[in-house]
Amino acid sequence: IAGITQAPTSQILAAGRRMTLRCTQDMRHNAMYWYRQDLGLGLRLIHYSNTAGTTGKGEVPDGYSVSRANTDDFPLTLASAVPSQTSVYFCASSMGRGANEQFFGPGTRLTVL
Amino acid sequence: GQNIDQPTEMTATEGAIVQINCTYQTSGFNGLFWYQQHAGEAPTFLSYNVLDGLEEKGRFSSFLSRSKGYSYLLLKELQMKDSASYLCASMDSNYQLIWGAGTKLIIKP
Repeated sequence: IAGITQAPTSQILAAGRRMTLRCTQDMRHNAMYWYRQDLGLGLRLIHYSNTAGTTGKGEVPDGYSVSRANTDDFPLTLASAVPSQTSVYFCASSMGRGANEQFFGPGTRLTVL
Repeated sequence: GQNIDQPTEMTATEGAIVQINCTYQTSGFNGLFWYQQHAGEAPTFLSYNVLDGLEEKGRFSSFLSRSKGYSYLLLKELQMKDSASYLCASMDSNYQLIWGAGTKLIIKP
């Protein structure tokens, strides 16, 4: 692995289904983030983690949950998907929270029908 | 509220210079970031300013005026590969990035 990876690349999901988006980084970064990107809007922070074992809510956390069991992995779970969660999801990481460059994964394009 | 404003779209000619403006209003301020995002790809970091003034990095420069809540990204000697969206983001007092919607830059030959 080089950098930060996400899986799946894209997914079509029926409303009401549960879905976990995976994110893994090999840079030993402490901080990780989940964003969604919608047309005409800026990236919006869903959840973040400053270090393994801790998580926090971002701007749009409702309907999403995260966990950070170790440094490398930061999965995002949609417990019961709704059409408004159709979006492109980006995972990112940085050395620490604060004035540090964030490195982004390639994104997951999710469509909820 | 927190707000980032930048133009939706700009067009420029190959070899020319273009300036992309960004105004920001956030709860506290811990720096201004610029990212580049090609269509269908992830954002990649371009620059970070926390003090007033101009930071130059090759063909790209970024300027910040904290008193005016204003930044710009200057791209010189434009190349076709510079066609992309440019995202402005301000870091607030909670160290959260507040993002603009991005400026789509179209380069014409």
